[in-house]
Amino acid sequence: ELKVEQNPLFLSMQEGKNYTIYCNYSTTSDRLYWYRQDPGKSLESLFVLLSNGAVKQEGRLMASLDTKARLSTLHITAAVHDLSATYFCAVQETSGSRLTFGEGTQLTVNP
Amino acid sequence: SAVISQKPSRDICQRGTSLTIQCQVDSQVTMMFWYRQQPGQSLTLIATANQGSEATYESGFVIDKFPISRPNLTFSTLTVSNMSPEDSSIYLCSVETQTDRTLYEQYFGPGTRLTVT
Repeated sequence: ELKVEQNPLFLSMQEGKNYTIYCNYSTTSDRLYWYRQDPGKSLESLFVLLSNGAVKQEGRLMASLDTKARLSTLHITAAVHDLSATYFCAVQETSGSRLTFGEGTQLTVNP
Repeated sequence: SAVISQKPSRDICQRGTSLTIQCQVDSQVTMMFWYRQQPGQSLTLIATANQGSEATYESGFVIDKFPISRPNLTFSTLTVSNMSPEDSSIYLCSVETQTDRTLYEQYFGPGTRLTVT
């Protein structure tokens, strides 16, 4: 059974600082997603990572994938308050199959 | 990407009743899924909604409790039957679409927030 673990689960950081969220998974997979969820809202797709060594960046967020280590990271650069949200990684074993989600990382960026 | 709508967006229901949630997509999609997100928790897949055949349920979820319909490639419904307070959750519809020749992505609807009293 595929297991996905994120850490940390809670992250409080100051504006302007950098930090990394980690996502470990237990079996080989076809792709890995990062989603953002604001309170009371649905999930917004941030990144889809398909292959070993894949790196994608959007604004202050950068995601990477190491399939050999079964590890993905979401790096936050110079955090701003607007990045406060819960971030989920999700792993898909094969195309068309379900997503298995991590527990989520609740990020709070303080002014 | 796909534009997904869900109805209702929220509801408060009494225990023992049933609620049907609708999911509409703006384009034809092969794969549709229903997830549950309990308060403060992550997402758990309930079932895959298959067009023209019975849904495929995950462990811990049964058809009698969560009947699903998928009459065509743009629409699905999830019914939460004989509700109890433990069913209070956000229910999300998700679809997988092809964004380019080789890339498929999963997108989520806005969710239905259900409170059972």
